[in-house]
Amino acid sequence: SSELTQDPAVSVALGQTVRITCQGDSLRSYYASWYQQKPGQAPVLVIYANSNRPSGIPDRFSASSSGNTASLTITGAQAEDEADYYCDSRDSTTNEYVFGTGTKVTVL
Amino acid sequence: QVQLAQSGSELKKPGASVKVSCKASGYTFTTYGMNWVRQAPGQGLEWMGWINTKTGNPTYAQGFTGRFVFSLDTSVSTAYLQISSLKTEDTAVYYCARPNSPTGYSYEFWGQGTLVTVSS
Repeated sequence: SSELTQDPAVSVALGQTVRITCQGDSLRSYYASWYQQKPGQAPVLVIYANSNRPSGIPDRFSASSSGNTASLTITGAQAEDEADYYCDSRDSTTNEYVFGTGTKVTVL
Repeated sequence: QVQLAQSGSELKKPGASVKVSCKASGYTFTTYGMNWVRQAPGQGLEWMGWINTKTGNPTYAQGFTGRFVFSLDTSVSTAYLQISSLKTEDTAVYYCARPNSPTGYSYEFWGQGTLVTVSS
């Protein structure tokens, strides 16, 4: 099945910008969503359909997609943004849905 | 407001079965499919599959066929996940999740998760 690959961990200084990427062939055909998950909590949708923010998500979260790579950017990272982030999309070979491997974001 | 309320934690022995419930409120239950997601301890999210709440037709991801069954009781707006012949590797938090559109796969609404622990 298709995989969505993410860097395992990234760090960002408080107030700076960090970009998280998600790579997979299926992203050429299907949109990505992004989720934030803090320890002990359910995931929260932060981006849907490549670049749209649900109501209540701060505008410091933005995203884009090109070719086989989707990206989530946090501009002006806050301490509360420290979390695991997962992308998801549709697997073009099986028509199943798949989550990325996850990226742990540390805010220094 | 949309809410998904899951049943409480379970401790089961290997070989037993477990049934996790996910009660939806705040919207018309049969308008959106219900998805199930597994997260093993310290691991990432795995999409298990979904159930069409209009027809009751389930779709299972590879790796979740055979011992996993999705079902519904639309009279009480509740989806169920049943796992039979439990193995220690089934120990995980199981989430139900609803997409933000009837045909989409962006999960805007999540249950709080149900921890299933399988241990002898």
